[in-house]
Amino acid sequence: GDSVTQMEGPVTLSEEAFLTINCTYTATGYPSLFWYVQYPGEGLQLLLKATKADDKGSNKGFEATYRKETTSFHLEKGSVQVSDSAVYFCALSANNAGNMLTFGGGTRLMVKP
Amino acid sequence: KAGVTQTPRYLIKTRGQQVTLSCSPISGHRSVSWYQQTPGQGLQFLFEYFSETQRNKGNFPGRFSGRQFSNSRSEMNVSTLELGDSALYLCASSLAVDRAEAFFGQGTRLTVV
Repeated sequence: GDSVTQMEGPVTLSEEAFLTINCTYTATGYPSLFWYVQYPGEGLQLLLKATKADDKGSNKGFEATYRKETTSFHLEKGSVQVSDSAVYFCALSANNAGNMLTFGGGTRLMVKP
Repeated sequence: KAGVTQTPRYLIKTRGQQVTLSCSPISGHRSVSWYQQTPGQGLQFLFEYFSETQRNKGNFPGRFSGRQFSNSRSEMNVSTLELGDSALYLCASSLAVDRAEAFFGQGTRLTVV
């Protein structure tokens, strides 16, 4: 079946450091790919998405590129802030699966001043 | 525009009891999905409803059920509660038919004692 694997955390960075959170997926066909973020005590919020190969999703300084050849969708940010501290989830939505999302295990990011 | 509203926010139930959780989607959204979030299993898909019909179902026992009403509001029910059902239950609504952005509620924290 479909699956998403992302790097385990926690990831601890200093403010203004470069961030990469790795995400790889297994799915048939051409899924849509998403990054969601969860702040403490909150539900999930969409951070960015990409719907086809080579698409780059971007939002709030975060970027991720849909790489079909490596089945990856790594999240990057050039300079993290303390306010970026949260749990990040990579997810896919497969063809013919409605709006069902398959999530990775989540990566906790902690940014220190 | 109001977001996704889940009620109640917190619940404590005893083993063997049943529970009903409620979700009001964003106005105009006809797709509602439910997810279970636990520290051990992460985010797992329960089911999706679209226009009152269940479109997809995750790998959960029959004790977990749901329904959607004509106004798109949804409920999920868990019967014969087990300790392992303790989790954060998240509801998400989507506007489009498939692979659409999901808007999540803050969740219902269920504790089974």
